[in-house]
Amino acid sequence: GENVEQHPSTLSVQEGDSAVIKCTYSDSASNYFPWYKQELGKRPQLIIDIRSNVGEKKDQRIAVTLNKTAKHFSLHITETQPEDSAVYFCAASLNSGKLIFGQGTTLQVKP
Amino acid sequence: GAGVSQTPSNKVTEKGKYVELRCDPISGHTALYWYRQSLGQGPEFLIYFQGTGAADDSGLPNDRFFAVRPEGSVSTLKIQRTERGDSAVYLCASSLNRDEQFFGPGTRLTVL
Repeated sequence: GENVEQHPSTLSVQEGDSAVIKCTYSDSASNYFPWYKQELGKRPQLIIDIRSNVGEKKDQRIAVTLNKTAKHFSLHITETQPEDSAVYFCAASLNSGKLIFGQGTTLQVKP
Repeated sequence: GAGVSQTPSNKVTEKGKYVELRCDPISGHTALYWYRQSLGQGPEFLIYFQGTGAADDSGLPNDRFFAVRPEGSVSTLKIQRTERGDSAVYLCASSLNRDEQFFGPGTRLTVL
């Protein structure tokens, strides 16, 4: 079955710097890749997603890139702010809609 | 409109007891998913409904777990003979188009 690996597990940056989180997936049939942000004790919130027919998508300070050949995708956050501090999860969809999640990245943005 | 809601928010039970967890999806969303999240881990898929039927239950860990969605809206996850290892946050999500999934706040289950 599908397997999603996410790195790094923790990431600490200074406010204003960029943050990059990377994921790899194993099943080349996967065609939908969302990113979720989860604050402590809260529900996962969808922040951006990308489909396999697109190589890059941007929404203000957040962007996602997808390399289908290498089977990896990345989340880029620019001009980080303290409120960006949270756990971020990547996921891959196996066409059926069920999501296979990575292990998560704890992002700390230091003021 | 209202988001996905789940009840109860917290459930404490004793080993061996039966529990039911409820999920109210976003109105009109035909797809409904259950996930389980242990501390420090990503959500783990359990079961997925399209309408009233279970389209994929490959994530249910064993036959103590069962879920229903009789009218294609509200869903109930049922766990029999609970074990301490069942302790986790149980998340429900719903989707209109089987891509974008919107999560509920979860039910934190603690089995003593």
